[in-house]
Amino acid sequence: RKEVEQDPGPFNVPEGATVAFNCTYSNSASQSFFWYRQDCRKEPKLLMSVYSSGNEDGRFTAQLNRASQYISLLIRDSKLSDSATYLCVVNDRGSTLGRLYFGRGTQLTVWP
Amino acid sequence: GAVVSQHPSWVICKSGTSVKIECRSLDFQATTMFWYRQFPKQSLMLMATSNEGSKATYEQGVEKDKFLINHASLTLSTLTVTSAHPEDSSFYICSSGGANTGELFFGEGSRLTVL
Repeated sequence: RKEVEQDPGPFNVPEGATVAFNCTYSNSASQSFFWYRQDCRKEPKLLMSVYSSGNEDGRFTAQLNRASQYISLLIRDSKLSDSATYLCVVNDRGSTLGRLYFGRGTQLTVWP
Repeated sequence: GAVVSQHPSWVICKSGTSVKIECRSLDFQATTMFWYRQFPKQSLMLMATSNEGSKATYEQGVEKDKFLINHASLTLSTLTVTSAHPEDSSFYICSSGGANTGELFFGEGSRLTVL
């Protein structure tokens, strides 16, 4: 069983749409959680951390359900520039120096 | 902000040759560097963790004699793919971060193609 499972998509949505991605993780002892964005043939870049109480950054909202070991990312008012692959990332320690586990990524394409 | 610089971005080599990839931390001390590999449409898979001044720790299934890691200073870690074969063709990427920042920084990645 993979440590982090994501629906690979692809998700194809029109501009302005709201889209949600889900992710599950297998290790209940996981400490920290992130969503990264990866553009084609580029390195991943941190989109946002995910906190237990849920957090929002502009059009992006992340939520964590520890009981269900489930993480979500909601993108509102999609822009063309949101087209990318979104990686769910789980860390088994509280600091950045712990072991990171990556999901396969969910591909999003926003069309005009 | 913190930056990890990785090069080369692209490398094409003949089967049997060795390729060295470098990662430098530009404005922080990278005590630990993680090396990942990513095949097309797959997730990043951790290959090894290198710590400055000590031997790297390799993940299960990764040959330490084939993927040589050197982390001799706090700002430089290198990965050498020895006797590369076509199946080693992949996207190799390094990452590191400050213990207090809560963020991991990635190098730009190196796309290796072995002919």
